[in-house]
Amino acid sequence: DGGITQSPKYLFRKEGQNVTLSCEQNLNHDAMYWYRQDPGQGLRLIYYSQIVNDFQKGDIAEGYSVSREKKESFPLTVTSAQKNPTAFYLCASSRHRMGQGGNQPQHFGDGTRLSIL
Amino acid sequence: GQQLNQSPQSMFIQEGEDVSMNCTSSSIFNTWLWYKQDPGEGPVLLIALYKAGELTSNGRLTAQFGITRKDSFLNISASIPSDVGIYFCAGRATGTASKLTFGTGTRLQVTL
Repeated sequence: DGGITQSPKYLFRKEGQNVTLSCEQNLNHDAMYWYRQDPGQGLRLIYYSQIVNDFQKGDIAEGYSVSREKKESFPLTVTSAQKNPTAFYLCASSRHRMGQGGNQPQHFGDGTRLSIL
Repeated sequence: GQQLNQSPQSMFIQEGEDVSMNCTSSSIFNTWLWYKQDPGEGPVLLIALYKAGELTSNGRLTAQFGITRKDSFLNISASIPSDVGIYFCAGRATGTASKLTFGTGTRLQVTL
């Protein structure tokens, strides 16, 4: 089945540690996104990528890093510089690319819940 | 950045009742999307709207793209217990490529 797979489902981080969240999609979508969700709030965009080897900062990129070496994969690293990392992280993808116009909706994975030890 | 106000924040309704929720933006949007999120899962797309005035249905759900292009509405008719969850609106402002702005969600609880 086509879809977006996030792993792990739950992740714990120690102080000063970097952790990496995985996001893989087999939908052949061009664009991929990372969001952070805190209780009672909407989704806030961390980073997004419209094409392989290119990505842009979203609204809350500080303390996070990403890479897009393959179309299918968009891992997110939560660095030790992110002082409040406890949240639910959601990855999404869409069939859309800059310059091609189009407003294809984003489809989401099932999320990774990150907590501090 | 864009502001997106979603209301109500939460609602308790009885099974069988109709539900209405809405979103208002500070900018003109060219796309409105409605998602539902169950606890511990990712949002699932319910309805996508691409044109001012557009009215689209998906089963018991109906959503409209406001004429001013700054608002959207979602109605659920004859609610059932499995409608429980958080409903998010999301919109894309003109000139923002593929970036979406999300509302803060409407938590729906249905009592028997």
